[in-house]
Amino acid sequence: DTGVSQDPRHKITKRGQNVTFRCDPISEHNRLYWYRQTLGQGPEFLTYFQNEAQLEKSRLLSDRFSAERPKGSFSTLEIQRTEQGDSAMYLCASSKSWTAGWEKLFFGSGTQLSVL
Amino acid sequence: AQSVAQPEDQVNVAEGNPLTVKCTYSVSGNPYLFWYVQYPNRGLQFLLKYITGDNLVKGSYGFEAEFNKSQTSFHLKKPSALVSDSALYFCAVRDSSASKIIFGSGTRLSIRP
Repeated sequence: DTGVSQDPRHKITKRGQNVTFRCDPISEHNRLYWYRQTLGQGPEFLTYFQNEAQLEKSRLLSDRFSAERPKGSFSTLEIQRTEQGDSAMYLCASSKSWTAGWEKLFFGSGTQLSVL
Repeated sequence: AQSVAQPEDQVNVAEGNPLTVKCTYSVSGNPYLFWYVQYPNRGLQFLLKYITGDNLVKGSYGFEAEFNKSQTSFHLKKPSALVSDSALYFCAVRDSSASKIIFGSGTRLSIRP
């Protein structure tokens, strides 16, 4: 396994700008998750894909957030009109849905977003 | 709704001593419980899981967890702590739709030499 990779590692942006993050999952994994983590908190679920289909999106997620996984491989998470409250670590994880152990998520190192 | 709680923000243990990191859960139906660890500057890693069967579950790096149905707890344990065990530990539960994992707030474990 080459592991889950996320790009960029860090992003600093000004309030109101749009940002996009990329996640490359482990190649044979068909599930891909996005989580958000703020200091002192556990990862909070944002959305997940099975292959290219986005099957669930958190009700807490603003309309400014959108995610895609066009070919069932890499995924992008876009935040439009960023706000200071969007500052967080954005985590991507992948797993295999066809095994009994799909709950074993493999996480990337995350993208740290700072909104000034 | 499924949830887990980690009552301790931080646990401090001397190297060589046993350690326990506490977790309680609230679920409808059968619990599917997990522990993940986050080392500094590294991604979250899966440690172990409880689905069914033995109440004592063994995982990676010498960790184990004890499932207690009557106390709705799933505490993480290790008989002898190492300085390298210092990290952030998250208890987690599978949600009722079996689509995602819900994480607790985390416990920072600090092992002093």
